[in-house]
Amino acid sequence: EAGVAQSPRYKIIEKRQSVAFWCNPISGHATLYWYQQILGQGPKLLIQFQNNGVVDDSQLPKDRFSAERLKGVDSTLKIQPAKLEDSAVYLCASSLVQGFWSYEQYFGPGTRLTVT
Amino acid sequence: AQKITQTQPGMFVQEKEAVTLDCTYDTSDPSYGLFWYKQPSSGEMIFLIYQGSYDQQNATEGRYSLNFQKARKSANLVISASQLGDSAMYFCAMREGSVADKIIFGKGTRLHILP
Repeated sequence: EAGVAQSPRYKIIEKRQSVAFWCNPISGHATLYWYQQILGQGPKLLIQFQNNGVVDDSQLPKDRFSAERLKGVDSTLKIQPAKLEDSAVYLCASSLVQGFWSYEQYFGPGTRLTVT
Repeated sequence: AQKITQTQPGMFVQEKEAVTLDCTYDTSDPSYGLFWYKQPSSGEMIFLIYQGSYDQQNATEGRYSLNFQKARKSANLVISASQLGDSAMYFCAMREGSVADKIIFGKGTRLHILP
């Protein structure tokens, strides 16, 4: 079974530029998550989709971050314009839905973003 | 207030010894789940073990076990017979509530296994 795919793996941009990350979840996983992990910290949830609907985006800085999940499969996360504090690893994860609960999340390898 | 607290930023353990990574949590929701993830230097997050708040027995998965003490709101990870490949960051995480299953992560513990 293929895992969660993410691209690119690394990205370096200057502040005020825009950037987009792509995620392809495990086939059949209805729930998709984007996390931001700043160095030395645990992942912080940015947005959670169930199929192509947003379940939780309370911690997404909506003035600069946007995300979409078309057709309930792939997802893109965009930052425009980027700030220095956006330097982090962006992790995508997916999980099956079992009733209201989904159990373990399967994570992709992450995209390491450096904003200079 | 922090929902998940991991008080050990780093630990050094001799190979083959058992190690306990501490995690305490805070919730008023009677229905919740606790997770442990491993993050090697390569960056991917690897699921290790899950404990539900209503589970009667402590979860075990191979060399991993979760010491769940509900009254103390503690969910420590125990790794038996540690191996060099266990060197990594370890995150404790919690899901609470029965609708939007958001997972909150602790700050992590970096475990170093010494040969």
